[in-house]
Amino acid sequence: GAGVSQSPSNKVTEKGKDVELRCDPISGHTALYWYRQSLGQGLEFLIYFQGNSAPDKSGLPSDRFSAERTGGSVSTLTIQRTQQEDSAVYLCASSLHPSAGGSNTQYFGPGTRLTVL
Amino acid sequence: RKEVEQDPGPFNVPEGATVAFNCTYSNSASQSFFWYRQDCRKEPKLLMSVYSSGNEDGRFTAQLNRASQYISLLIRDSKLSDSATYLCVVIDTGRRALTFGSGTRLQVQP
Repeated sequence: GAGVSQSPSNKVTEKGKDVELRCDPISGHTALYWYRQSLGQGLEFLIYFQGNSAPDKSGLPSDRFSAERTGGSVSTLTIQRTQQEDSAVYLCASSLHPSAGGSNTQYFGPGTRLTVL
Repeated sequence: RKEVEQDPGPFNVPEGATVAFNCTYSNSASQSFFWYRQDCRKEPKLLMSVYSSGNEDGRFTAQLNRASQYISLLIRDSKLSDSATYLCVVIDTGRRALTFGSGTRLQVQP
């Protein structure tokens, strides 16, 4: 596909359940990012993958959150024992180069809207 | 203090108006700056990068003032289709992820 894709687009779950969110980055993009956006809030960085390097997990809010990226492409964000405050839109982005220069354009997927009841 | 701060608005302006948004950032080592646009219930999309010398793209002009640590976005001749939330974004030295402001909402009215 031409852009970043995410699935599911919407997920409703009960408090205490585990959820998995999937991201397919743009083909050839080496960097992949997860963010979340709570209602009326700005985007919050969660985790960053670059190639085979150890991921930057500095944004994960608790040990209930984890993510992996298999084969340098698809990524899965897992939230264990979900809480109501986990309700948000989870956005994935990818970029061609990891550099922090002006060429590092991040392209976002449409997001997964998670609702924890 | 938030790393990136923006006036949430909303800014309600008539078509054809000129409107400007400012954004301040707290980390003087911040390296790269962008404006993203986010439509309601959609993902953010890059509007433009912001360079020290200032840059223009059609009706949009972005400026960076490193000394005062603020970024601005000027929109001339506003269109109805400009209605959206404008996100100020910063990349800090040594990091790769984007730090977003909470966004400024613009509503252009006929």
